[in-house]
Amino acid sequence: DAGITQSPRHKVTETGTPVTLRCHQTENHRYMYWYRQDPGHGLRLIHYSYGVKDTDKGEVSDGYSVSRSKTEDFLLTLESATSSQTSVYFCAISDTDDSTGYTFGSGTRLTVV
Amino acid sequence: QQQVKQSPQSLIVQKGGISIINCAYENTAFDYFPWYQQFPGKGPALLIAIRPDVSEKKEGRFTISFNKSAKQFSLHIMDSQPGDSATYFCAAVDGGAQKLVFGQGTRLTINP
Repeated sequence: DAGITQSPRHKVTETGTPVTLRCHQTENHRYMYWYRQDPGHGLRLIHYSYGVKDTDKGEVSDGYSVSRSKTEDFLLTLESATSSQTSVYFCAISDTDDSTGYTFGSGTRLTVV
Repeated sequence: QQQVKQSPQSLIVQKGGISIINCAYENTAFDYFPWYQQFPGKGPALLIAIRPDVSEKKEGRFTISFNKSAKQFSLHIMDSQPGDSATYFCAAVDGGAQKLVFGQGTRLTINP
């Protein structure tokens, strides 16, 4: 999807374990976002980044942390996975700060058992 | 609390028919209203968008109708095709806060 790759595509993990999802972009876009998608809720913003080492919380940030040490990589960490974090996670990128044009990755399906 | 409310959750339309998905919002700070289309196993992709200074925008078979006073907007898909079968999300942007919020999504199925 237009220079944005998420890994892994699927993951099953046990409750209480840490998990890190990776978003890698080759577009050199400044803005990167992590969303989770759940039935009945649409997509909800977890965290976002507006530059290297510049991040902020979204509406559902509890239990998640992020890091961005390079322009191209944005990592999402579940510090201690819970069953409520079973979801499909999407990364998005944008080259503008007005939220008018996001490009999404293909998603990571995470199951916490 | 869902800032953008979308209906219906699922919709089945016959090939050649008109598909209509509706959304409503409360926040008057929203100033950009995109629609995203998502196929299974893929991320959402921007389909069409509108700003509140116009009441309608058309791109091919896809039309957004916007009613600013009612705080409602809708997506119309004319001559619906099986290839249009996907999940559709309305969304809204608060330009001041630079935040994009999504509706709950509508799973559209076009029967051949």
